[in-house]
Amino acid sequence: DTEVTQTPKHLVMGMTNKKSLKCEQHMGHRAMYWYKQKAKKPPELMFVYSYEKLSINESVPSRFSPECPNSSLLNLHLHALQPEDSALYLCASSQDFSRTLWGWSYGYTFGSGTRLTVV
Amino acid sequence: AQSVTQLGSHVSVSEGALVLLRCNYSSSVPPYLFWYVQYPNQGLQLLLKYTTGATLVKGINGFEAEFKKSETSFHLTKPSAHMSDAAEYFCAVSEGDTGNQFYFGTGTSLTVIP
Repeated sequence: DTEVTQTPKHLVMGMTNKKSLKCEQHMGHRAMYWYKQKAKKPPELMFVYSYEKLSINESVPSRFSPECPNSSLLNLHLHALQPEDSALYLCASSQDFSRTLWGWSYGYTFGSGTRLTVV
Repeated sequence: AQSVTQLGSHVSVSEGALVLLRCNYSSSVPPYLFWYVQYPNQGLQLLLKYTTGATLVKGINGFEAEFKKSETSFHLTKPSAHMSDAAEYFCAVSEGDTGNQFYFGTGTSLTVIP
């Protein structure tokens, strides 16, 4: 299995709703990422988990709450979002996330994303 | 610090013509370089990567790229464009084996004209 699976593919939510995005990989990767991508723009890093611990939080508002229950799963909990949060949310994984290992030579494997619309 | 510049946010080529998408980078350490493709409403797919060794890298779907250190470039080429190549292409750089993040270029949208 060489895929990153994201669910749901599409999500429409109101500004008072609570929802969650899910991401799963079974490649044995130990680093997982959430990216946000606006139309015609490159992905913007939100969070990095390394060995199930949060390694990087790129100053993301608290209405986005990541969770890594185990090495294969990554969730993004959403609460009280704003319309400007509408975007494609991409999950990615990589073999490792380390300044001393060669994991970065493998690059990322991306999921197909969740298209989120906040109304 | 790293940065990536993709010249031309939109490129149009005729079907069967050469595809050339430009990418220049700046890096204080030997970089790892990547090209990703994104089809509409999909995630990013790795086309090819350069880490060390041979500077001409071949990827999927007939694409290749050449790492030119003297020009700090990693341009993506394909000899003959297909309609199915129409997509968004992102160049990315990481800090070799000391880095921990990708830096994406702003992307180039490729249109293939029948």
